[in-house]
Amino acid sequence: KAGVTQTPRYLIKTRGQQVTLSCSPISGHRSVSWYQQTPGQGLQFLFEYFSETQRNKGNFPGRFSGRQFSNSRSEMNVSTLELGDSALYLCASSLVGLAGVGFFEQYFGPGTRLTVT
Amino acid sequence: LAKTTQPISMDSYEGQEVNITCSHNNIATNDYITWYQQFPSQGPRFIIQGYKTKVTNEVASLFIPADRKSSTLSLPRVSLSDTAVYYCLVGANYQLIWGAGTKLIIKP
Repeated sequence: KAGVTQTPRYLIKTRGQQVTLSCSPISGHRSVSWYQQTPGQGLQFLFEYFSETQRNKGNFPGRFSGRQFSNSRSEMNVSTLELGDSALYLCASSLVGLAGVGFFEQYFGPGTRLTVT
Repeated sequence: LAKTTQPISMDSYEGQEVNITCSHNNIATNDYITWYQQFPSQGPRFIIQGYKTKVTNEVASLFIPADRKSSTLSLPRVSLSDTAVYYCLVGANYQLIWGAGTKLIIKP
């Protein structure tokens, strides 16, 4: 079974620009979550989409947005890029998602390394 | 919310058993404990998840004491390929707290 794929793998942008990152989940998985990983803050939850609906959002400014398509593929957009947005952006897919209690397993993609100059 | 604390780094030798402990004093009743492994330039990979006592799978064991304020990931007979960063994740229902990660270095 193919894993989670993310494109592009590396991206260099200038302050003020916007960027769109793409994630294709494992076939059959309806939940896609996005995370930002930096050396200083570690892994931080951005948002989760399930069946095209955003179910939850982390503590990030409105410049960070996302969407999910009917085939479960997801995109994440960051507008008006700042230097502090430089990070590894990870996408994770799962069957049941993050809502509720009980066992859950997320499968992460390799990430997109975004550098803002 | 639970706060997770784990050692910044550890090292060991091939063939040894490695135990990495995560402290989570404020763990809530519904919280699960999950461990992930991450190699450079890759996303985290699920290792094991548990709620209480002991869980074992083909790659690791997870020990959780009765008070659930800590958990220990046990890797039996490690090899050089187990060199990675290991994350402890505590929570449930979006209240997920990731540890800062433990860099494990395995020496020959």
